[in-house]
Amino acid sequence: NAGVTQTPKFQVLKTGQSMTLQCAQDMNHNSMYWYRQDPGMGLRLIYYSASEGTTDKGEVPNGYNVSRLNKREFSLRLESAAPSQTSVYFCASSWGTEQFFGPGTRLTVL
Amino acid sequence: DQQVKQNSPSLSVQEGRISILNCDYTNSMFDYFLWYKKYPAEGPTFLISISSIKDKNEDGRFTVFLNKSAKHLSLHIVPSQPGDSAVYFCAASARWGGTSYGKLTFGQGTILTVHP
Repeated sequence: NAGVTQTPKFQVLKTGQSMTLQCAQDMNHNSMYWYRQDPGMGLRLIYYSASEGTTDKGEVPNGYNVSRLNKREFSLRLESAAPSQTSVYFCASSWGTEQFFGPGTRLTVL
Repeated sequence: DQQVKQNSPSLSVQEGRISILNCDYTNSMFDYFLWYKKYPAEGPTFLISISSIKDKNEDGRFTVFLNKSAKHLSLHIVPSQPGDSAVYFCAASARWGGTSYGKLTFGQGTILTVHP
């Protein structure tokens, strides 16, 4: 039982490049989330998916897109990366209110 | 507009003493509160939670207190151990639509250091 897995663990991009962060959970949770963590800012919600087939914007959605591929997988895409998107990205899943987090992806945009 | 605030960026305590981490919130719709613990290079892990119908919840060395009138919650760790050194986030949820959907708003985090 792996819980929530994220790939890649680290990534360096140049400004303007695109990439997709992958997330998968094996707990049969309905809801999945993408957060970013920046120093002094806590975790801020980018996008979430309450159930398979639905996605909604969170607090900081600009510059990102998401896809809920199936119940297990929820991906986050940066179409044209900017230095302001340098951050640590966490995926989480939940059945109720308690969320379970993946280990994170550390992204640097030069 | 920071709806959940942890005003102490860091806290340092001696092993065996009590650690008290504080959290304030502004949204009166929040009715469920959680504490998460985060070690470096790992994702946050759930620690303890409390519903707004309670004012205290205890789990081993960890106790969370909720003061709804003051919109304040605190996490007490007794006794503190060096392995408790981590970043602690409080989070709050406002349930609506008849479902416990679980969208969370997080505070900025407090770095706890427990010295041997």
